[in-house]
This record gives sequence, C-alpha cells and structure tokens, in this order.
Amino acid sequence: QVHLVESGGGVVQPGRSLTLSCAASGFTFNSFGIHWVRQAPGKGLEWVALISYDGSEKYYAVSVEGRFTISRDNSKNILYLQMDSLTVDDTAVYYCARDYLRNSVMDYWGQGTRVTVSS
Amino acid sequence: DIQMTQSPSSLSASVGDRVTITCRASQSSRYYLNWYQQQPGKAPKLLIYGVSILQSGAPSRFSGSGSGTDFTLTISSLQPEDFATYYCQQGRAFGQGTKVEIK
Repeated sequence: QVHLVESGGGVVQPGRSLTLSCAASGFTFNSFGIHWVRQAPGKGLEWVALISYDGSEKYYAVSVEGRFTISRDNSKNILYLQMDSLTVDDTAVYYCARDYLRNSVMDYWGQGTRVTVSS
Repeated sequence: DIQMTQSPSSLSASVGDRVTITCRASQSSRYYLNWYQQQPGKAPKLLIYGVSILQSGAPSRFSGSGSGTDFTLTISSLQPEDFATYYCQQGRAFGQGTKVEIK
C-alpha cells in the first residue's frame, strides 16, 4: 500500500538550515507530483510547495519562496525540502502528500516530521 | 490567490446528529474542491474530492455538495469517531478548519 515517511525534523536556530526527506513506497513514485504541507502548533494546514512528477515544475507558497527548495530523486523514491534562513514562523509539523489526478487532491499523507525553530 | 473560508470554526454536536460545514472560495477555480478530516495528533485524511466523490474507505455518512464558490460537507449521522477537525481545500489553499466537538 501507499506509504510516505517523513524524516529530518528537529530543533534548529533561527537563520540556520534544515533538509527534510519523504521516502515513498507502494506506488510508482515517478508518476505523481508531491506536496509539502505544514501545520504550526495549534493552527490549520498551510500548503508549502509542490513538485511535478518529473521534477520539472516547482511551486512555492509566498511565505517560503526564495528560502525553501523542493526536489526529488526518482531513482531513490525520495522527496526533499531544503529549508534555509529559517525563522520562528517556520515552526510546524511538515507533511508530504501525494498529488492525485494532478489536481491538488492530496490522497495520501505521511505521518509528519516536527521542525522547531528556536534560539 | 484563492482564499477558502469555512463556517462555523467550531461546533458542538451529539452522536446521531446531522452536521453541515460550509466552505466558500474567494473565486471560482479549475481545481477540485476537497475535504479532509484530521484527528488530534494525526495526519489529515482525504474524505471527499471533486466536490462529492467519496474517497475509498471513507464512510458513506459523509457527503459533499456545491458548485462555483459555495460548498458543503454533511455528516448524516455523527459517530464517535467523527469528532475531529475538518478542512476544505482547493488548489493550494486550505480553509481554516472546523472543529467538531462532543456536546
């Protein structure tokens, strides 16, 4: 069955960098776009980024554009989110989610990885 | 950018009640309108996509309707496992969520 497992979260100081990973299994990874979605403590869901099935198209939320980079390695079935110049507002649980129908329907989600930005 | 507004932000209901949550988009969009359920401490789960298509495995007491910019999620008979937060989503925008609590 479809499985998405995020990793790489942790505690990081403001201004530093962190890279998250999302390992996929149970489906043809190179046929699906993948989203990153985050949720700050006690808050709602916020879309962060999307990468197309082949990595040729990338989209970002205004709040992270220029600081975050989404990428993928289809030979390893892994998605990445490189996060630079982190601020306290980036503190959240980060989820990866599969894009179904190429219509931003997020049909499978990982369990999330927690990122805390604090001095 | 499209913005999604849900109402109410929270509601209290009893087991067996019929519950309705509404979602309004700031503009029409080519993207599907989707609904997610999130239990505390868990990842969101897709319930309904394309306004009214029930995701595989989702209970039939959940239904969706609407068109244009106005959409509705209905739970026909609330069950104990339905107490959760529900989000609508279209494109890259999520509603702020509706928390369904036990009365």
